Amino acid sequence: GENVEQHPSTLSVQEGDSAVIKCTYSDSASNYFPWYKQELGKGPQLIIDIRSNVGEKKDQRIAVTLNKTAKHFSLHITETQPEDSAVYFCAASNPGSARQLTFGSGTQLTVLP
Amino acid sequence: DAGVIQSPRHEVTEMGQEVTLRCKPISGHDYLFWYRQTMMRGLELLIYFNNNVPIDDSGMPEDRFSAKMPNASFSTLKIQPSEPRDSAVYFCASRPWRGGVSLGETQYFGPGTRLLVL
Repeated sequence: GENVEQHPSTLSVQEGDSAVIKCTYSDSASNYFPWYKQELGKGPQLIIDIRSNVGEKKDQRIAVTLNKTAKHFSLHITETQPEDSAVYFCAASNPGSARQLTFGSGTQLTVLP
Repeated sequence: DAGVIQSPRHEVTEMGQEVTLRCKPISGHDYLFWYRQTMMRGLELLIYFNNNVPIDDSGMPEDRFSAKMPNASFSTLKIQPSEPRDSAVYFCASRPWRGGVSLGETQYFGPGTRLLVL
């Protein structure tokens, strides 16, 4: 089955700096890659996603890139703000797994004021 | 839309007691997922339903766990008897599907139930 690895597990940045979180996946059939943000005491919330027919997608300060050949994708947050502090999860899914999501282990992002 | 609704939000019980967690998916969503989140194991898929039918329960840890979905707007996850190692946050998520085309694999999570078994 699919295996998703996520790095780093913790990340601290100064407010205004950029943050990058990286994930790799194992199943080349995977074609959908969402990113979720989980704030303390809440459920994961989708912040951005990308499909395998696209190499990059951007939404304001958040962007995701996908390298199908290398089987890795990354989340980029620019101009970080304290409210960006949370746990971020990457995930992957493919048609062969009935489109179930396989999650990475999460990254605790702390934005220091 | 109210989103996925879970109850209770917090549950504290003693070992051996029965615990029932409840979920109301987003209206019109045909898939419902139950996850467990712990520090050690992260987010684990326990079971998922399509049109109220359990499709894959391979993630259910033991026979002590059971899940039902009697109708499109309600699902339960039951643990009987509960054990301290069941302490975790349990999430319910739902996803839409219409006809033969998926509207996307995006899952929408509820706020979770934080379970503590003493």
